[in-house]
Amino acid sequence: EPEVTQTPSHQVTQMGQEVILRCVPISNHLYFYWYRQILGQKVEFLVSFYNNEISEKSEIFDDQFSVERPDGSNFTLKIRSTKLEDSAMYFCASSENRAEAFFGQGTRLTVV
Amino acid sequence: AQSVSQHNHHVILSEAASLELGCNYSYGGTVNLFWYVQYPGQHLQLLLKYFSGDPLVKGIKGFEAEFIKSKFSFNLRKPSVQWSDTAEYFCAVSPPGGGNKLTFGTGTQLKVEL
Repeated sequence: EPEVTQTPSHQVTQMGQEVILRCVPISNHLYFYWYRQILGQKVEFLVSFYNNEISEKSEIFDDQFSVERPDGSNFTLKIRSTKLEDSAMYFCASSENRAEAFFGQGTRLTVV
Repeated sequence: AQSVSQHNHHVILSEAASLELGCNYSYGGTVNLFWYVQYPGQHLQLLLKYFSGDPLVKGIKGFEAEFIKSKFSFNLRKPSVQWSDTAEYFCAVSPPGGGNKLTFGTGTQLKVEL
């Protein structure tokens, strides 16, 4: 069964450093998303991406965040200058037709 | 703005017990409704979804959910749980057009004891 894969599974970074979280969506999917879950809190929408551009973003997704689809398979989330409060589980998701999102296993980001 | 409430944060059941997890949402229009499950160490998986039609929706692994529009509810049920159902369950809503922007509830941690 096709699945969304995310790497790395766990990333530890120092405050102020840049991190790139990687995702390989399901190959025929056209819509891509990033969500995050801070420990003990809800899963929150960050951004959606379609046709090589952001289609919607939340207020969490400020200037320190960016997304990119650098090639035909990867979808990345970059955090330019990490803060302690960026520590969370980050989930990538993709969908074929906006009807059902398939999620990856997540990347646990720890900012120290 | 949409919001989703899951009333039970932790539920402990014995095997073969019946399960009902509550989910209420607030949104000023038509919504699409989802239940996702996350088994320990795994990704979020879709259990079932409701877009329109029969308000009683059947999903995978014997789960079902009922959409009650008047109560803004979409409760998840299973008549007889198994130890393997131990997981975290998330209710989510999105505006019509699908899962472009899911709003999740806080999740319910279910533990099924042998």
